[in-house]
Amino acid sequence: EDQVTQSPEALRLQEGESSSLNCSYTVSGLRGLFWYRQDPGKGPEFLFTLYSAGEEKEKERLKATLTKKESFLHITAPKPEDSATYLCAVRGNYGQNFVFGPGTRLSVLP
Amino acid sequence: ETGVTQTPRHLVMGMTNKKSLKCEQHLGHNAMYWYKQSAKKPLELMFVYNFKEQTENNSVPSRFSPECPNSSHLFLHLHTLQPEDSALYLCASSHLKVDTGELFFGEGSRLTVL
Repeated sequence: EDQVTQSPEALRLQEGESSSLNCSYTVSGLRGLFWYRQDPGKGPEFLFTLYSAGEEKEKERLKATLTKKESFLHITAPKPEDSATYLCAVRGNYGQNFVFGPGTRLSVLP
Repeated sequence: ETGVTQTPRHLVMGMTNKKSLKCEQHLGHNAMYWYKQSAKKPLELMFVYNFKEQTENNSVPSRFSPECPNSSHLFLHLHTLQPEDSALYLCASSHLKVDTGELFFGEGSRLTVL
């Protein structure tokens, strides 16, 4: 069974304090690992797709990396507007389900 | 209008009511999904439709009944719900033939069952 865990559950940073969020996964043949951002009361917003170990993607202050067992979302010099819940999901070779992790709730204080 | 639109955004219903959630996508996608998001739990897949055909039903109780009349519209009919069904219901769409396949979500319908 495909599974995703994320850590930490919650993270508080000062503005400008860089850190990383972790996503660990087990999947039967990885077709893609996805990162989403979700603001309170809204649907998740797509950020990145990673397909194979060693791949990296960047967008503004965010950088996602992938190994065979985990992915990291690195946040460099975060701003208060980066505060949100970050969700990780995987899609395996079988079926059409995207399996989501529980998310990391990030708060960036000014 | 672009993206994935869900209505209503908020719904309060009694356990004996019948109501429906509506989702519409303007992205030209051919797969649509219903997800349930409860507090402190991961998103749970409920139903998947490919080209209007239901391909996955993730052991969802029969009080939830999906309908997909075409590739752009998806409904979730609700009947005799329980208080534990209170949650954020998210609709999403994706493009089947593009293997990037990322999901695009609507804003969600916040359901409260009294």
